Amino acid sequence: GESVGLHLPTLSVQEGDNSIINCAYSNSASDYFIWYKQESGKGPQFIIDIRSNMDKRQGQRVTVLLNKTVKHLSLQIAATQPGDSAVYFCAEIRSSGNTGKLIFGQGTTLQVKP
Amino acid sequence: NAGVTQTPKFQVLKTGQSMTLQCAQDMNHNSMYWYRQDPGMGLRLIYYSASEGTTDKGEVPNGYNVSRLNKREFSLRLESAAPSQTSVYFCASSEYGGDYGYTFGSGTRLTVV
Repeated sequence: GESVGLHLPTLSVQEGDNSIINCAYSNSASDYFIWYKQESGKGPQFIIDIRSNMDKRQGQRVTVLLNKTVKHLSLQIAATQPGDSAVYFCAEIRSSGNTGKLIFGQGTTLQVKP
Repeated sequence: NAGVTQTPKFQVLKTGQSMTLQCAQDMNHNSMYWYRQDPGMGLRLIYYSASEGTTDKGEVPNGYNVSRLNKREFSLRLESAAPSQTSVYFCASSEYGGDYGYTFGSGTRLTVV
């Protein structure tokens, strides 16, 4: 079936290094993706999104790359900080009538070592 | 600016008991959603409401019912709780079509014993 998934359950990086979190999707019709950050005990928080007519989008310290050929997207975090420690999810919007259902992958836990 | 408010934050139920999880948003969003999150998993969609007066099943609707009471409120009901429904439940809302991203509540941690 169709799915959204991440490659690695856990990523450990040194403070100050760059982090790259990967996600593969299988629905070739997907045209809108979102990255979320979830801290312990909290709901998911929007980080950045990208549409399929783009291959790169930048925010503050974050960049999302989309490769439609291999159905892969990644989240890059520059100069990773301890406050970046969290679980990161990629999610896909699947249009359904007049709304969009958000379908989540399983998540990657980012651990930042001081 | 409350955003999405869920109540209660924690709940313990015995198998077979019923309860309703409440959700309210103050952003005038059209669409609202209920998700569950199990340990080590992403969120899975239970039910959603594209607009006031409509509700539809998501990926895992069995054992649940919902009510879109008005534009602000969307409740989730467990008629006969089972241990398999032990989870963290998140409510979310979005603009029409969901293109502007979702806003999530802080979750309800439910344990069924």
